[in-house]
Amino acid sequence: DAGITQSPRHKVTETGTPVTLRCHQTENHRYMYWYRQDPGHGLRLIHYSYGVKDTDKGEVSDGYSVSRSKTEDFLLTLESATSSQTSVYFCAISAPPGGRENIQYFGAGTRLSVL
Amino acid sequence: AQSVTQLDSQVPVFEEAPVELRCNYSSSVSVYLFWYVQYPNQGLQLLLKYLSGSTLVKGINGFEAEFNKSQTSFHLRKPSVHISDTAEYFCAVTPRDDKIIFGKGTRLHILP
Repeated sequence: DAGITQSPRHKVTETGTPVTLRCHQTENHRYMYWYRQDPGHGLRLIHYSYGVKDTDKGEVSDGYSVSRSKTEDFLLTLESATSSQTSVYFCAISAPPGGRENIQYFGAGTRLSVL
Repeated sequence: AQSVTQLDSQVPVFEEAPVELRCNYSSSVSVYLFWYVQYPNQGLQLLLKYLSGSTLVKGINGFEAEFNKSQTSFHLRKPSVHISDTAEYFCAVTPRDDKIIFGKGTRLHILP
């Protein structure tokens, strides 16, 4: 998985509890992304980061926050989990868009169930 | 705005038969095009990409795709599928200076 580690791989939590998912990369890529994957919706971008402390929202950012204090780590936090956030979450990394290597590399995913 | 449409959500095909997974995109600017594959319980991995040059692109595992600018299509093909090709396939497009946009995926079911 191109030097990308997501943790945990599986998590079951209760509605209203905070949850943090971690993405760690060893590739030194500047861009990192969090997606959620749901049946019938494909992949939807939640947040992305274009450098340390530089983040921006994607199309489904409500209810999620992110932080990036180091190049290699990108954290996704659900401040108060809801059942609608039950999903599979993927982290991805890439070189900056615009280059010929504008390819995203994905982690193995985190399966989150909110009961 | 750019968008990607994968015309089939599921495609069943018999083993050793040919397959085509369809992808159309809309964009007002030049784009790069990709196909990613997701095997069960795994993340996505790059199958092939079109950046420029020859419109016929060959990827891993015997897959190829053809870029058709006039029809804004990037269909994926394989002449003979194997049971191991069972997966979900995602078409993706990226304007050359912006984020990637994924289609909703096509599940390929290989029938024995």
